[in-house]
Amino acid sequence: GQQVQQSPASLVLQEGENAELQCNFSTSLNSMQWFYQRPGGSLVSLFYNPSGTKHSGRLTSTTVIKERRSSLHISSSQTTDSGTYLCALEPGTGSNRLTFGKGTKFSLIP
Amino acid sequence: DAGVTQTPRHEVAEKGQTIILKCEPVSGHNDLFWYRQTKIQGLELLSYFRSKSLMEDGGAFKDRFKAEMLNSSFSTLKIQPTEPKDSAVYLCASRTGGAGNTLYFGEGSRLIVV
Repeated sequence: GQQVQQSPASLVLQEGENAELQCNFSTSLNSMQWFYQRPGGSLVSLFYNPSGTKHSGRLTSTTVIKERRSSLHISSSQTTDSGTYLCALEPGTGSNRLTFGKGTKFSLIP
Repeated sequence: DAGVTQTPRHEVAEKGQTIILKCEPVSGHNDLFWYRQTKIQGLELLSYFRSKSLMEDGGAFKDRFKAEMLNSSFSTLKIQPTEPKDSAVYLCASRTGGAGNTLYFGEGSRLIVV
């Protein structure tokens, strides 16, 4: 089955609201990375977060290994936050590849 | 420093043609990945190189997809022969070798096969 599951698949909020994106994984974890992709654009790394909580501006990433989940919180969302957010898991054993979730498409209503 | 450079950015091919996509990783990076991105499947791994050696390939893509890395600063992905189902964005990414390092992506090559 799929190793990395993201939810929701899409999210529409009004500008100023907070967003919570989830990533659940079924294998052991070495690291979790979060990426942002603008429509038609490339992927940009937001966080490398193997465990615990990290902050970057209005973004917060929290990874809880024993619960096999990682979340991305966007506070006071702005129209420039629109795009797709993807999480990628690097397994704890074996491969060094990153396995990606299918992403959350995030849209803002002005 | 230059990021990951991919060419061409767009390609339209007829079914049966041979297509070669190119990638220049970030200078000094040891790991290079090729991914395919579609709306339905998301990102799928095609190949993974470490220090020019092929470490992993996407099993389902072996027959018509071949990635090579002849030197540390250049990689190619050949699709031969192309099929309409190969229409997708092909992404190249690199990182400093080893787990846990940030992955840097190129802008991608959008392939349309008609």
